Amino acid sequence: AQKVTQAQTEISVVEKEDVTLDCVYETRDTTYYLFWYKQPPSGELVFLIRRNSFDEQNEISGRYSWNFQKSTSSFNFTITASQVVDSAVYFCALSEVNTGFQKLVFGTGTRLLVSP
Amino acid sequence: GAVVSQHPSRVICKSGTSVKIECRSLDFQATTMFWYRQFPKKSLMLMATSNEGSKATYEQGVEKDKFLINHASLTLSTLTVTSAHPEDSSFYICSAAPGQIEAFFGQGTRLTVV
Repeated sequence: AQKVTQAQTEISVVEKEDVTLDCVYETRDTTYYLFWYKQPPSGELVFLIRRNSFDEQNEISGRYSWNFQKSTSSFNFTITASQVVDSAVYFCALSEVNTGFQKLVFGTGTRLLVSP
Repeated sequence: GAVVSQHPSRVICKSGTSVKIECRSLDFQATTMFWYRQFPKKSLMLMATSNEGSKATYEQGVEKDKFLINHASLTLSTLTVTSAHPEDSSFYICSAAPGQIEAFFGQGTRLTVV
């Protein structure tokens, strides 16, 4: 069965601190996708990244970086030099070939609070 | 990227009434759309898969007579919450996929039943 665990319910940091959001997943499929979404207070889901199971290369996009490690079934997300605008709930998600790549299973989310 | 539009963004309805939420793919056709529900401060849970021209597939525990889904065209799926009650108050969000891999999310609908 597929499952996504985000153990950190809420993280509070001060602006300019680096912060890492953890994501651990479970799947029996060898072909799957992992996602990160940002959900600001307005509610919409903002797509951040999609990574397929065959690509373990880490990715950096501006202040954002992602570390994918199949050996530990983790797909962690780091924000460098956090800003107040980063305050939001962040969801990690998984989709599998067996159930259809379009169908996502979400983690419980991590609420990030960045204070000035 | 592809655009999915959801309407309304917010709706308040009286207990016992029905409310319809629309999910439209604006620049692509989608044979499959998905409906998720998010309780306050909770995760998003898949409710059902909407299939164009056929019946929706509901996840376990979701009442199909309560949450009516219609996917009458390749660009529109609707979710109707029938005989709404306060416990149906939630954030409903749809997604649609132009292909086999990537799905795009609508803006979501915040339903409040009073």
